[in-house]
Amino acid sequence: NAGVTQTPKFRVLKTGQSMTLLCAQDMNHEYMYWYRQDPGMGLRLIHYSVGEGTTAKGEVPDGYNVSRLKKQNFLLGLESAAPSQTSVYFCASSYTRATYNEQFFGPGTRLTVL
Amino acid sequence: AQTVTQSQPEMSVQEAETVTLSCTYDTSESNYYLFWYKQPPSRQMILVIRQEAYKQQNATENRFSVNFQKAAKSFSLKISDSQLGDTAMYFCAFIYSGGGADGLTFGKGTHLIIQP
Repeated sequence: NAGVTQTPKFRVLKTGQSMTLLCAQDMNHEYMYWYRQDPGMGLRLIHYSVGEGTTAKGEVPDGYNVSRLKKQNFLLGLESAAPSQTSVYFCASSYTRATYNEQFFGPGTRLTVL
Repeated sequence: AQTVTQSQPEMSVQEAETVTLSCTYDTSESNYYLFWYKQPPSRQMILVIRQEAYKQQNATENRFSVNFQKAAKSFSLKISDSQLGDTAMYFCAFIYSGGGADGLTFGKGTHLIIQP
């Protein structure tokens, strides 16, 4: 049981390049989330998904797109990377929100945009 | 929208001492959950303790306990007999327990340093 995994762990991009971050969970969780963490800040929600084929915007969605084609995977895309997107990105998952279930976090991806 | 405020950017205590981290929040909701997460240098987010707003009893987990004051919207974390391994960033977080699936709202964190 690997829990929540993220690929890649580190990445350096040039402004304008695109990339996709992959989050995978093997706990059969319904809900998945993407957060970003900037220096001196807590995590902020980018997008989330309540199930396969569904996505929704969080607090800071601009510049990102997401897809949840399979229940176990949640992809975060940057179509045209900007230096402001330099951050550490965390994926998380949980069973449901009907009653609270703990969010399990991945190890994070450090992205630098030059 | 809810907000979470941690007013102590950094704290430093000696090993074995007791330390309290403060957190206040603002919400119009009555049903919610509060959490403390630990983030060591490895970056991994680790759940330390959680509190259901409808419960009056303060949550405890071994050396970690909270002081939950719902009327004051305050949620502090007490670490007893602090250990070197407690050195980390600590984040207070909030989530509604009602409908919807919006994620956690985090404070900016407190960097806790345990000195030998």
